[in-house]
Amino acid sequence: QKEVEQDPGPLSVPEGAIVSLNCTYSNSAFQYFMWYRQYSRKGPELLMYTYSSGNKEDGRFTAQVDKSSKYISLFIRDSQPSDSATYLCAMSGDAGGTSYGKLTFGQGTILTVHP
Amino acid sequence: EAQVTQNPRYLITVTGKKLTVTCSQNMNHEYMSWYRQDPGLGLRQIYYSMNVEVTDKGDVPEGYKVSRKEKRNFPLILESPSPNQTSLYFCASSSTLFGLAPYEQYFGPGTRLTVT
Repeated sequence: QKEVEQDPGPLSVPEGAIVSLNCTYSNSAFQYFMWYRQYSRKGPELLMYTYSSGNKEDGRFTAQVDKSSKYISLFIRDSQPSDSATYLCAMSGDAGGTSYGKLTFGQGTILTVHP
Repeated sequence: EAQVTQNPRYLITVTGKKLTVTCSQNMNHEYMSWYRQDPGLGLRQIYYSMNVEVTDKGDVPEGYKVSRKEKRNFPLILESPSPNQTSLYFCASSSTLFGLAPYEQYFGPGTRLTVT
């Protein structure tokens, strides 16, 4: 079993739809939970991160972490064609822990938002 | 401009011929890391470095070597490449000041390696 599981999709939605992307994990040491976005032929870039549990909102994007269920989500409201990309969840441990410095990524979900 | 650069961007080589992929960052970041990206497997960490002369294995270190002699550079060495190392490779860097985890990583443009 992989430490981080992510549904690879692909996911195709119409413009304006609400998109939900999810990852599950098994390592209780993870404390940092990130979402990276990767456009075609580019390196990933950080979209959002959350430390420990809770929600975080940034414009049309909301990240949620449920540590009790080992489940994280990224919601995109009012999706736009420019949101079309691969979305990767990533996780890391805290300083002093065994997972500090190591980033574990999910497989990535390919999202297409069509006009 | 703050950036991570990798060279070469594309490389086709033959089995067993040693090669080095260079990585350099101009952001004075303490942390650097190498990843490989394969279809269906996502990004997998090869090696990372918390600072100069400090390196550690990621999830898939077999067949790779790294060194961190200077803060800005983190080359990836394949001493005897094999076809299963055909992949897209990314270098990344991050600040870890004040004990922060390297959650915000800045990635290079990628190096596409083909080993025949």
